[in-house]
Amino acid sequence: NAGVTQTPKFQVLKTGQSMTLQCAQDMNHEYMSWYRQDPGMGLRLIHYSVGAGITDQGEVPNGYNVSRSTTEDFPLRLLSAAPSQTSVYFCASNLLVGGRNTGELFFGEGSRLTVL
Amino acid sequence: QKEVEQDPGPLSVPEGAIVSLNCTYSNSAFQYFMWYRQYSRKGPELLMYTYSSGNKEDGRFTAQVDKSSKYISLFIRDSQPSDSATYLCAMRGGTYKYIFGTGTRLKVLA
Repeated sequence: NAGVTQTPKFQVLKTGQSMTLQCAQDMNHEYMSWYRQDPGMGLRLIHYSVGAGITDQGEVPNGYNVSRSTTEDFPLRLLSAAPSQTSVYFCASNLLVGGRNTGELFFGEGSRLTVL
Repeated sequence: QKEVEQDPGPLSVPEGAIVSLNCTYSNSAFQYFMWYRQYSRKGPELLMYTYSSGNKEDGRFTAQVDKSSKYISLFIRDSQPSDSATYLCAMRGGTYKYIFGTGTRLKVLA
């Protein structure tokens, strides 16, 4: 049981480049989410999804796109990377019961992104 | 003003000490309260989860929630060097959005 798997673990981009951070979970969780973690700012929610085809914005969505075509995968796309997007990105998933979160968020190991 | 405030530390204590970590919050809609532990270069992992005021104990860890004061705490008894990590409080109301504190870095000295 792999849990939440994120790739790549490290990435360096130049300003204006695009890339996709991958997230996959094998726990059949309906809820998946992306956070960024910056010093002094804590974990901030970027986007989340409560099932295939359903996504919504979090606290800091600008500059990021998501889609959810399957239960297992929730990729995060940076269309035109900026230095302000240098951060550690975490994907997290959660089981929904009756459409409600059940408490524990399961996190991946993180993806460290540097934008030059 | 942030919805959740947490002292970033760092907090250094000797092995065996009782550690107290705290968060305050402003949104009275928060109903669910969590503490996560994050080791360096790892993802957060859940330590404690509670949804009512009062205390919840799990081994050396006790989570305390005071909804009237909008204040939550995590106590660690008999702290060990392996407890050295960043501790994040997290909260959620009736929505799908989890709100995290900035985290407190704890170092337990052997």
